[in-house]
Amino acid sequence: ETGVTQTPRHLVMGMTNKKSLKCEQHLGHNAMYWYKQSAKKPLELMFVYSLEERVENNSVPSRFSPECPNSSHLFLHLHTLQPEDSALYLCASSQEATPLYEQYFGPGTRLTVT
Amino acid sequence: AQSVTQPDIHITVSEGASLELRCNYSYGATPYLFWYVQSPGQGLQLLLKYFSGDTLVQGIKGFEAEFKRSQSSFNLRKPSVHWSDAAEYFCAVGALFISNFGNEKLTFGTGTRLTIIP
Repeated sequence: ETGVTQTPRHLVMGMTNKKSLKCEQHLGHNAMYWYKQSAKKPLELMFVYSLEERVENNSVPSRFSPECPNSSHLFLHLHTLQPEDSALYLCASSQEATPLYEQYFGPGTRLTVT
Repeated sequence: AQSVTQPDIHITVSEGASLELRCNYSYGATPYLFWYVQSPGQGLQLLLKYFSGDTLVQGIKGFEAEFKRSQSSFNLRKPSVHWSDAAEYFCAVGALFISNFGNEKLTFGTGTRLTIIP
């Protein structure tokens, strides 16, 4: 595997379920990101990790809980979501957590909350 | 705070025709500027970026963009589009301001969807 991979690619969950999204980067980068992409809205930065330490939490509801066990893996734990949380969730990585370095994106997880 | 405006939600051009996608930004100093492309079912891929120096930057896939400080614009151009260019295009600005947690970040526009007709 090369680049940034995300699993699952599609997820349907009820509002009372608990699920997790997984992201893995094979680029040796130090920074990883979660973004939310909703129709007709700008890409929203949710979380940034640099060397496994969270450096940005962009006012995200607590029903989204990130985890970064090492610099190659990033998770987004989901619980008691709302229908408005349905979106494409993109993971990205970069050499360092600054726009000076290109961000490489995964294909995303399409989440539907019923 | 910085912001990015992409005024065109959807553009349709004929294959072989020229293309210009508009991007305007709001930021108090010289920003870092980016164009990303997202093909269906894919993540975003960087086309080009501007940090400083020559205001006309060349990117991948034959794209270029020009930074115009006086107009706060960073429009993307291609002289002759190919059917494979059909995708969604995002302009983004990276600022050197200090956010809540002390780092810099990218702010994206809402995107322009490009349709190519034969």
